[in-house]
Amino acid sequence: GAVVSQHPSWVICKSGTSVKIECRSLDFQATTMFWYRQFPKQSLMLMATSNEGSKATYEQGVEKDKFLINHASLTLSTLTVTSAHPEDSSFYICSALWRYEQYFGPGTRLTVT
Amino acid sequence: SQQGEEDPQALSIQEGENATMNCSYKTSINNLQWYRQNSGRGLVHLILIRSNEREKHSGRLRVTLDTSKKSSSLLITASRAADTASYFCATDASYGSRLTFGEGTQLTVNP
Repeated sequence: GAVVSQHPSWVICKSGTSVKIECRSLDFQATTMFWYRQFPKQSLMLMATSNEGSKATYEQGVEKDKFLINHASLTLSTLTVTSAHPEDSSFYICSALWRYEQYFGPGTRLTVT
Repeated sequence: SQQGEEDPQALSIQEGENATMNCSYKTSINNLQWYRQNSGRGLVHLILIRSNEREKHSGRLRVTLDTSKKSSSLLITASRAADTASYFCATDASYGSRLTFGEGTQLTVNP
């Protein structure tokens, strides 16, 4: 139980385009989901906390207009990288909160060319 | 900002040897967890230790926590090549709150 999926697992896009990443809790409902970003050979950095039915809470230094988060249901949160640039290339990992524990998705590799 | 540091940043050992990784953090915590991440993959939860616990075991894993020093260690005994991965500690201030990750240790176990 407590499985979290992400889609797509990898994506390549051109600079200036937008990319949407989905995070789903498959067998539980999650009122809270978290989005992390990981650059190569670095640790995970929390980008934002997503709460179902309300606006996401962004960490300091994360542009809310660039990284749009929507948590429209108890099983789905989406992260949209708008007007992507090569410096947005990274590994994006979500987690979903269930019974006070975070369950992580497998991650999405974004490459912006 | 990151909670703390892990050392060493990289560790290379032979199969069968023990591997010890350390994690330090800066603020009071509720839980400390250790995760493994294979290259380019998601996180695998290894073990959780609560702030009122000092030591915990799970199979070949042994975790210690010293809240007075704000540090934790992860010991992997009798390492295997399959243990090659990055290992991260993560802390939370309360149940269900955000996790703050350490910098990670890249472990390489040579066959």
